[in-house]
Amino acid sequence: DAEITQSPRHKITETGRQVTLACHQTWNHNNMFWYRQDLGHGLRLIHYSYGVHDTNKGEVSDGYSVSRSNTEDLPLTLESAASSQTSVYFCASSGQSNTEAFFGQGTRLTVV
Amino acid sequence: RKEVEQDPGPFNVPEGATVAFNCTYSNSASQSFFWYRQDCRKEPKLLMSVYSSGNEDGRFTAQLNRASQYISLLIRDSKLSDSATYLCVEGRRALTFGSGTRLQVQP
Repeated sequence: DAEITQSPRHKITETGRQVTLACHQTWNHNNMFWYRQDLGHGLRLIHYSYGVHDTNKGEVSDGYSVSRSNTEDLPLTLESAASSQTSVYFCASSGQSNTEAFFGQGTRLTVV
Repeated sequence: RKEVEQDPGPFNVPEGATVAFNCTYSNSASQSFFWYRQDCRKEPKLLMSVYSSGNEDGRFTAQLNRASQYISLLIRDSKLSDSATYLCVEGRRALTFGSGTRLQVQP
């Protein structure tokens, strides 16, 4: 069955380190998204991509970057991790704009 | 003003009750909406899509009112297993989420 997977599921890192969270989908979806979820804020969009080599900033993109070198993967990089980036990160994908998206199981990141 | 706004709740209802959530959106050009369910900070899962005036799936009914720019979700005959957070979502270039409404169904 097609799916979307995130790794790692849990990570603890130190302030200032570079961290990369992986997202891989096997639906051949063009659209992929990264969200973070914090208490009181719901899901907020970090970056998104509509296809290979396309990337766009979301609502809370500062301190994050993404690259899309193939259809299946959209890794999220924290250039220099900060304690404010402690959060749960969700990756999602969808086949077309304005259609539903399917989510990975999330990555819980703690920056100490 | 937030693009998608929901009453955070919590809504505490007894089993068997009917409960309704409303969600308002700010962009009158929005075409598609969704309700997602999320359990205990797990990944959100699609509950219903709302592309036209409404949608019904068993005990769940979603309605869209474009004139007033709100979407509603009605849950009939609530079950304990319906306890979760319900997320109202607007679909445009990327999905925009409301903060969620928490439902607790009590025995």
